[in-house]
Amino acid sequence: AQTVTQSQPEMSVQEAETVTLSCTYDTSESDYYLFWYKQPPSRQMILVIRQEAYKQQNATENRFSVNFQKAAKSFSLKISDSQLGDAAMYFCAYGADGLTFGKGTHLIIQP
Amino acid sequence: NAGVTQTPKFQVLKTGQSMTLQCAQDMNHEYMSWYRQDPGMGLRLIHYSVGAGITDQGEVPNGYNVSRSTTEDFPLRLLSAAPSQTSVYFCASSRLNTGVDDEQYFGPGTRLTVT
Repeated sequence: AQTVTQSQPEMSVQEAETVTLSCTYDTSESDYYLFWYKQPPSRQMILVIRQEAYKQQNATENRFSVNFQKAAKSFSLKISDSQLGDAAMYFCAYGADGLTFGKGTHLIIQP
Repeated sequence: NAGVTQTPKFQVLKTGQSMTLQCAQDMNHEYMSWYRQDPGMGLRLIHYSVGAGITDQGEVPNGYNVSRSTTEDFPLRLLSAAPSQTSVYFCASSRLNTGVDDEQYFGPGTRLTVT
């Protein structure tokens, strides 16, 4: 079974600074997808960014980018120019048969 | 489009009671799924469906039943509720029937408490 590990239960960053959230996963598959989801206090799950494992180029979405290291099975999320609205739980997820989620990182933005 | 809707938003059950959590989507998505989220945990897959009439088990299926008679609806049934089923339940759908290579749209969740 696949596993997803987020080793940082909580991270804190000053507004406008850059923060990186870590994620590692374990799989024997070669073709899969990786995701970062954001869950604000409203509880709504919001897709932040998606990476196809067969693509070597790292995905980017505005201030959000990933560092995908397939051999190391690592998939970190970098948030640039952090904003107060970025405060939320962030979940890394692996996609093959359904999604397997990590336990999440609580991101705090200090004004 | 309403997206993915879930009812009810909150529910309290007594041990042994049964109930159905409703999920509907109006995006004509093939893939639908149910997750549960417990404190300090990510979401865990309960059941999923790749199309009408087709369902399969996820990581934590015990104590739950599903059916998919239409493309739009994917109800989750608790036949005999237990305190261990206290959780927040999310329904999700995606366009492609693989369910993992396309964005999944999540409903707002149902908070269930079993006493």
